[in-house]
Amino acid sequence: KNEVEQSPQNLTAQEGEFITINCSYSVGISALHWLQQHPGGGIVSLFMLSSGKKKHGRLIATINIQEKHSSLHITASHPRDSAVYICAVFGRSQGNLIFGKGTKLSVKP
Amino acid sequence: NAGVTQTPKFQVLKTGQSMTLQCAQDMNHEYMSWYRQDPGMGLRLIHYSVGAGITDQGEVPNGYNVSRSTTEDFPLRLLSAAPSQTSVYFCASKGGGYNEQFFGPGTRLTVL
Repeated sequence: KNEVEQSPQNLTAQEGEFITINCSYSVGISALHWLQQHPGGGIVSLFMLSSGKKKHGRLIATINIQEKHSSLHITASHPRDSAVYICAVFGRSQGNLIFGKGTKLSVKP
Repeated sequence: NAGVTQTPKFQVLKTGQSMTLQCAQDMNHEYMSWYRQDPGMGLRLIHYSVGAGITDQGEVPNGYNVSRSTTEDFPLRLLSAAPSQTSVYFCASKGGGYNEQFFGPGTRLTVL
C-alpha cells in the first residue's frame, strides 16, 4: 500500500464547478505539501500545512491530522486550473518528501 | 533570485553514455534533492544532501552519483545510461526543517 494515496486519479469538471481532491497518508507527519504541475511544466508549491486550513485565492487546503487526511478544494474552477495536483508529506527524515501519484484535473470551458 | 535552475532541459543519450545533470540554487538552502518522475509512479527520491559535503541515498539511487562541494550546486551523474533511466528529473531545494520545497524546471532525459 502506498504511504500517500490520492483520489481521484483523474477528474474532469465544467468551468465554475467546485472541485475536491483528497489525500490520505499512512505515515506520521509534521507537514503536508500540495503541489501543482502544469502539462510539460515545472512543479510549484501551493500550500504547506500542518493543521487546520489555508486559503489562497480560489484554493483552499484542509488537513485533519487525527484522520490522516487532507483535501484541496478549488472554488469556481477555470480551464487554467487544469493541471496535475500532487500531495506530498514529509517522511522520517525532515527533508524527504513522500509523494502521491497525483490527480489530473481537466476543467472544460 | 533565480531560485532552482537545471540544465539541460532536454537530453538524448545512447545506452552506456555518461552525463551530468546540473542543478543550482541561490537561496542558500541546506537541503537539496533529486527526484525522477515516471508515468503512474509519482516522484521518487534518487539522492539528497543536507549540506555541503553530505549526501545520502534515496529510494532509487542505483545508476546515479551525486556530490555536494558547495551549498549552491548539486549535480547528478549518470554513470552508464540505460533505457530504464528515461524519465523527467527534478532538482529541489529547501531550508532546514519542515519548510517549503522549491523545484527546478526539470530535465527530460531519453536513453535510446
